[in-house]
Amino acid sequence: NAGVTQTPKFRILKIGQSMTLQCTQDMNHNYMYWYRQDPGMGLKLIYYSVGAGITDKGEVPNGYNVSRSTTEDFPLRLELAAPSQTSVYFCASSGTANTGELFFGEGSRLTVL
Amino acid sequence: AQTVTQSQPEMSVQEAETVTLSCTYDTSESNYYLFWYKQPPSRQMILVIRQEAYKQQNATENRFSVNFQKAAKSFSLKISDSQLGDTAMYFCAIQNTYNDMRFGAGTRLTVKP
Repeated sequence: NAGVTQTPKFRILKIGQSMTLQCTQDMNHNYMYWYRQDPGMGLKLIYYSVGAGITDKGEVPNGYNVSRSTTEDFPLRLELAAPSQTSVYFCASSGTANTGELFFGEGSRLTVL
Repeated sequence: AQTVTQSQPEMSVQEAETVTLSCTYDTSESNYYLFWYKQPPSRQMILVIRQEAYKQQNATENRFSVNFQKAAKSFSLKISDSQLGDTAMYFCAIQNTYNDMRFGAGTRLTVKP
């Protein structure tokens, strides 16, 4: 099983550039999430989705956008990249609402210079 | 808002010994879930153990067990017979709804041979 797949694993952006982090899961999970992890900090929720066509903001949504056109895919778009967006980004999915077993991708390390 | 505090940024333990990682949390909810996630150097987060707040019995998963003190809002993780493969970052997390899982800053555990 592939589980949750994120691409790319590494990326360097210049200030003002845009890019999309891809996330795909093959477990038919309804719930999908994007987190960012800054050094020495826990994960913070950027956006989440409870099913195709439904997305909502998390704790730190500014500077990001998402879409959920299919159950499998949940891309995260960075518009006008800023140094403050340098972080490791994790996509996760869950098949249930509150049991907490999130399945994570391997992460994408993004550096904005 | 829910918060999670992990007061030990780094810990080390000798192989085959026992180590306890601390976690305290704050929430105004009466029903919630608590988790310990492991993040090895490969970066992919993995669920270690889960505790439902309404259950008084402490959760156990093989060498991993928790000490859940609801009144004190404490949720520590005990790792018995530590193995080199236990070397990782460990994150404590709390969730009461599908869109609000909060993570602590993590404890870096090193198991020494």
